[in-house]
Amino acid sequence: GQSLEQPSEVTAVEGAIVQINCTYQTSGFYGLSWYQQHDGGAPTFLSYNALDGLEETGRFSSFLSRSDSYGYLLLQELQMKDSASYFCAVNRDDKIIFGKGTRLHILP
Amino acid sequence: ETGVTQTPRHLVMGMTNKKSLKCEQHLGHNAMYWYKQSAKKPLELMFVYSLEERVENNSVPSRFSPECPNSSHLFLHLHTLQPEDSALYLCASSQDPRDTDTQYFGPGTRLTVL
Repeated sequence: GQSLEQPSEVTAVEGAIVQINCTYQTSGFYGLSWYQQHDGGAPTFLSYNALDGLEETGRFSSFLSRSDSYGYLLLQELQMKDSASYFCAVNRDDKIIFGKGTRLHILP
Repeated sequence: ETGVTQTPRHLVMGMTNKKSLKCEQHLGHNAMYWYKQSAKKPLELMFVYSLEERVENNSVPSRFSPECPNSSHLFLHLHTLQPEDSALYLCASSQDPRDTDTQYFGPGTRLTVL
């Protein structure tokens, strides 16, 4: 089957670094995406890894390892506004499949 | 500002009602999508339209009926819904239906079925 696994919740401190992992049991996909969703808001696109390795966009970085069926989103210099849910997603057969999301709590 | 708008933002309806959700994208995209987001479940893709033609229907019950009159507008017609259909319904668009790596979402319609 096709599934993506993420931790349901992660807690970190303001100013720190946090990593949100995503493991998957699907093959033949084109890339791994990450989306952010604040409470009551729409998901917004953060990053996309078409190839293995690290992609950096400001404070956010995303990593993909197809051989390990694993990816992660790294958030640095955490700010209170980063409190949100984060979803990984894969493209497969022209479809996008989302994980259940990780709720990130940030403590002052 | 996402460029994708949805109305209404909130909707409460009885099981015998008929209502419609509206989505409009101002991005010049060619593909539009309906998703259902329930608590503690992944986003579920419901329908995909490419250039006004339906290209994907993930076995959605017939009480949900989509309509895409043009590439900028998408509707979801609802009738005889069940309480378990209560969820956040999200519309999204992308340049191409195969550009599933970058989708732009609307704010969603929070639907409650009594």
